[in-house]
Amino acid sequence: DAGVTQSPTHLIKTRGQHVTLRCSPISGHKSVSWYQQVLGQGPQFIFQYYEKEERGRGNFPDRFSARQFPNYSSELNVNALLLGDSALYLCASSLETLNRANYGYTFGSGTRLTVV
Amino acid sequence: GDSVTQMEGPVTLSEEAFLTINCTYTATGYPSLFWYVQYPGEGLQLLLKATKADDKGSNKGFEATYRKETTSFHLEKGSVQVSDSAVYFCVEFDYKLSFGAGTTVTVRA
Repeated sequence: DAGVTQSPTHLIKTRGQHVTLRCSPISGHKSVSWYQQVLGQGPQFIFQYYEKEERGRGNFPDRFSARQFPNYSSELNVNALLLGDSALYLCASSLETLNRANYGYTFGSGTRLTVV
Repeated sequence: GDSVTQMEGPVTLSEEAFLTINCTYTATGYPSLFWYVQYPGEGLQLLLKATKADDKGSNKGFEATYRKETTSFHLEKGSVQVSDSAVYFCVEFDYKLSFGAGTTVTVRA
């Protein structure tokens, strides 16, 4: 079975541009979350979607948005890119319902975004 | 602020040494707790988990016990190998995953 797949794997953008990152969860997983991992730090929560609805949002500006599609895949959009948005963006999927995580989350390999 | 505090690294050990990485959490109630590992050049992987007080998670020789009274979930391994060199993250789940800053462990042969 395929794990969590993310695309693209690497991306270079210039300041002010817009970017769309994509994620396909493990088949049967209805919860998808997005995390930003800046080099040398732990991942920071951006969004969680469950059953196509936003269920949680981290401390990120409105330039960050996301959505989940009927097939449970997800997109993360970032507008007006800043140099500080350079990071590894991770998608994680879970089998669990919203309030439980007994089995943990499965992470994709991430998209490495570089803003120049 | 951070809801998970873990021991700062880097930590350098010799093979067969004992490893402890301290971790404390702040979520109220009974969050699920995890240790994730990130090996060089690889993605995040779940190492072990505990979902209620006094649970002991274990995997690959690593262990961690969910201590509600001290809000701790310390990671231990009795005899490390070079292949254990990685970044280790203590994580709590309280509707979202909250990661500690990570501890870089290097094991020398």
